[in-house]
Amino acid sequence: DTGVSQDPRHKITKRGQNVTFRCDPISEHNRLYWYRQTLGQGPEFLTYFQNEAQLEKSRLLSDRFSAERPKGSFSTLEIQRTEQGDSAMYLCASSLAAGEQFFGPGTRLTVL
Amino acid sequence: EDKVVQSPLSLVVHEGDTVTLNCSYEVTNFRSLLWYKQEKKAPTFLFMLTSSGIEKKSGRLSSILDKKELFSILNITATQTGDSAIYLCAVTGTSYGKLTFGQGTILTVHP
Repeated sequence: DTGVSQDPRHKITKRGQNVTFRCDPISEHNRLYWYRQTLGQGPEFLTYFQNEAQLEKSRLLSDRFSAERPKGSFSTLEIQRTEQGDSAMYLCASSLAAGEQFFGPGTRLTVL
Repeated sequence: EDKVVQSPLSLVVHEGDTVTLNCSYEVTNFRSLLWYKQEKKAPTFLFMLTSSGIEKKSGRLSSILDKKELFSILNITATQTGDSAIYLCAVTGTSYGKLTFGQGTILTVHP
């Protein structure tokens, strides 16, 4: 499979715990994006990378959220001290330069 | 702040009907408008539009952009039950990488 992959697909955690998600983009894509989607809403932009550089972060991305793309390939999104309001689908997408973005299957986070 | 508004929010039709989904936008330094289809999983890319008046077509789906009036439409002809999904419209602007999405249109096609 040569599409965008994400791991895990589902995560249930207790409030206050830290969680980390991984995204593997399409191999030749230099841009990688993170979005968050809640029920009944379109995805909301969180951050994006061009190669290993994080070029933009949304105001939605509080200091409890951090993302990395250390070698310009896969990326991780960490949420510290999770809150119930963090429950959502976390989507990763990749693109070649400013072309169309292709999405992964998402990680569904439930914070109890 | 960039904004995308889609209408209608939901639509119920029967197989064989033709539907038109609307997307209006406000964005600084518009670059592109994209349509995605979302079933019970991640959004699937349909079209990317950058120029006014040029129709993009793929099978029974087509889309066109009007940059003067700041809107786009997505047409689906001869609908099938497999077209049932959420259709998302998104734009990119000054921030070239960021997609700003609308709320989506929920399309339900009954047999």
